[in-house]
Amino acid sequence: AQSVTQLDSQVPVFEEAPVELRCNYSSSVSVYLFWYVQYPNQGLQLLLKYLSGSTLVKGINGFEAEFNKSQTSFHLRKPSVHISDTAEYFCAVTPVNNAGNMLTFGGGTRLMVKP
Amino acid sequence: NAGVTQTPKFRILKIGQSMTLQCTQDMNHNYMYWYRQDPGMGLKLIYYSVGAGITDKGEVPNGYNVSRSTTEDFPLRLELAAPSQTSVYFCASSGTGGPYNEQFFGPGTRLTVL
Repeated sequence: AQSVTQLDSQVPVFEEAPVELRCNYSSSVSVYLFWYVQYPNQGLQLLLKYLSGSTLVKGINGFEAEFNKSQTSFHLRKPSVHISDTAEYFCAVTPVNNAGNMLTFGGGTRLMVKP
Repeated sequence: NAGVTQTPKFRILKIGQSMTLQCTQDMNHNYMYWYRQDPGMGLKLIYYSVGAGITDKGEVPNGYNVSRSTTEDFPLRLELAAPSQTSVYFCASSGTGGPYNEQFFGPGTRLTVL
């Protein structure tokens, strides 16, 4: 079984400041890793994913994440946030041999960007 | 493409009532999922389907039922609503080819059971 822990439930930050949203996972098998974003009153949409290769992954809207296998982490970063980045962010994993593509989600981190 | 659509958007039920949450996708995806989202808990998988006629339980299936008679539709049935089923429900779909495929989510149904 897999588990995902997002260490911060809320992250307040001022506009144009950098931000890091932390994600740690636990799994006995190799996994693929994802970050999804949920804007207010909407469904989730994919921000980025790590499958293999380079541990630094770039996604939409200027976000990037780094996979660290030894620390079982997949932290999300953005060098300069905008008001429009205010949303809830979810880290998720799935085993690489998972035929059903079932995701295990973390509890979410609410990013609040202040002017 | 409309993507994944869900109806209704909001619903209030009394304890013991039943209802069906509708989900339709127009992307010809084989894989479909139902999640519930509770504050601070992320999303929990209720049921999933890998194709028409094939469904299986997820992490929190108790109190729910599903069917998949067509590729497009994946309704979720609540038979005897309980306050613990107050939640936001999301339907999602993904294509075949492997677990690396992106899941596409509907806008959600906010259900309150009183």
